[in-house]
Amino acid sequence: QQKVQQSPESLIVPEGAMTSLNCTFSDSASQYFAWYRQHSGKAPKALMSIFSNGEKEEGRFTIHLNKASLHFSLHIRDSQPSDSALYLCAVSPTGFASALTFGSGTKVIPCLP
Amino acid sequence: EAAVTQSPRNKVTVTGGNVTLSCRQTNSHNYMYWYRQDTGHGLRLIHYSYGAGNLQIGDVPDGYKATRTTQEDFFLLLELASPSQTSLYFCASSDEGALNQDTQYFGPGTRLLVL
Repeated sequence: QQKVQQSPESLIVPEGAMTSLNCTFSDSASQYFAWYRQHSGKAPKALMSIFSNGEKEEGRFTIHLNKASLHFSLHIRDSQPSDSALYLCAVSPTGFASALTFGSGTKVIPCLP
Repeated sequence: EAAVTQSPRNKVTVTGGNVTLSCRQTNSHNYMYWYRQDTGHGLRLIHYSYGAGNLQIGDVPDGYKATRTTQEDFFLLLELASPSQTSLYFCASSDEGALNQDTQYFGPGTRLLVL
């Protein structure tokens, strides 16, 4: 069974700073890697996904995937108060979202610089 | 954007009680899922379905039944609720459309308290 682990459990991030969230997975045959963001009291919502090794950037967010290391990460630059949320990584053995295993989440807490 | 609704939004029951959580999606997605979310555990898959009448077991199915009556409707049944089933329950849907363009869409959640 796929094991997905996230670190750290929580992060306090000064406004304007850059931060990194980590996710490791156990199944080397995994094909689909995603980050979901869940604001307090709300439903999780897909943020970004990646399917091949390397980086993908969308605005202030960048995903980096290294399949050989069984690791992918989410980098957030220029942290904003609106980034306050629980970030969940998710992994699937297929190229589809129909078999996702989620990590336990990293809570990002922005603070004043 | 895909629309997934859940009812009720909040539910309180007693140990041994019978509870049904409802989920409806109006985007003709094939897949529907039930998750529970507890602090420190993220989202854990209970059951899922890839079409009306189909049911697949997830990672934490014990104590739960589910039924997919139509493509739109997916129900989660707790026939003998226990305090360990106190949790936030999410329904989600997705469709295996174009490869590498897929995502799950979540409903607003149902908060269940079992006394």
